[in-house]
Amino acid sequence: KAGVTQTPRYLIKTRGQQVTLSCSPISGHRSVSWYQQTPGQGLQFLFEYFSETQRNKGNFPGRFSGRQFSNSRSEMNVSTLELGDSALYLCASSLDLGVAYEQYFGPGTRLTVT
Amino acid sequence: AQSVSQHNHHVILSEAASLELGCNYSYGGTVNLFWYVQYPGQHLQLLLKYFSGDPLVKGIKGFEAEFIKSKFSFNLRKPSVQWSDTAEYFCAVNAAAGGYNKLIFGAGTRLAVHP
Repeated sequence: KAGVTQTPRYLIKTRGQQVTLSCSPISGHRSVSWYQQTPGQGLQFLFEYFSETQRNKGNFPGRFSGRQFSNSRSEMNVSTLELGDSALYLCASSLDLGVAYEQYFGPGTRLTVT
Repeated sequence: AQSVSQHNHHVILSEAASLELGCNYSYGGTVNLFWYVQYPGQHLQLLLKYFSGDPLVKGIKGFEAEFIKSKFSFNLRKPSVQWSDTAEYFCAVNAAAGGYNKLIFGAGTRLAVHP
């Protein structure tokens, strides 16, 4: 079974631009969560989607948004990029909603904002 | 708000040495606890988890962790490390209520094992 895939793997953007990252969960998984990983702040929860609905949101500004499609694929968008948005963005999928279902992480998208 | 503290940011050991990585969390209610590992160039993967029951849980690759509720701790242990255990280790917490997958991670501990 294929794992979680994220595209693109690497991205370089300029301050003020916007970016869209994509995540394809493991086949059959319905829940997708996004995390931001930086050297200074570590791994921080962004949001979680299930059945095309955002179920939970972390403490990030409104410039960070996401969505989930009917096939469970998810995208996250960051508008008006800032230098501090440079990070590894990780997507995790699980079979269903609820922590009892193991989360499987993708390789991440490395975003560099210049 | 929930938070997780990992006291050791960098640990260097020789092969066959014993390992214990500390993890403390702050949350007054029932929690679910996890240890994840990130090997160089690989994805985050689950090492072990604790939901309820026996506070000593065993995970993959010979790792185990002990939940001590009175100390709000969930320390990771391995009796004898190998060079292949070189990785970054993350402790994580999820509040048991709510049915959500949100994980609060600690800052991570980088482990380097020398042959």
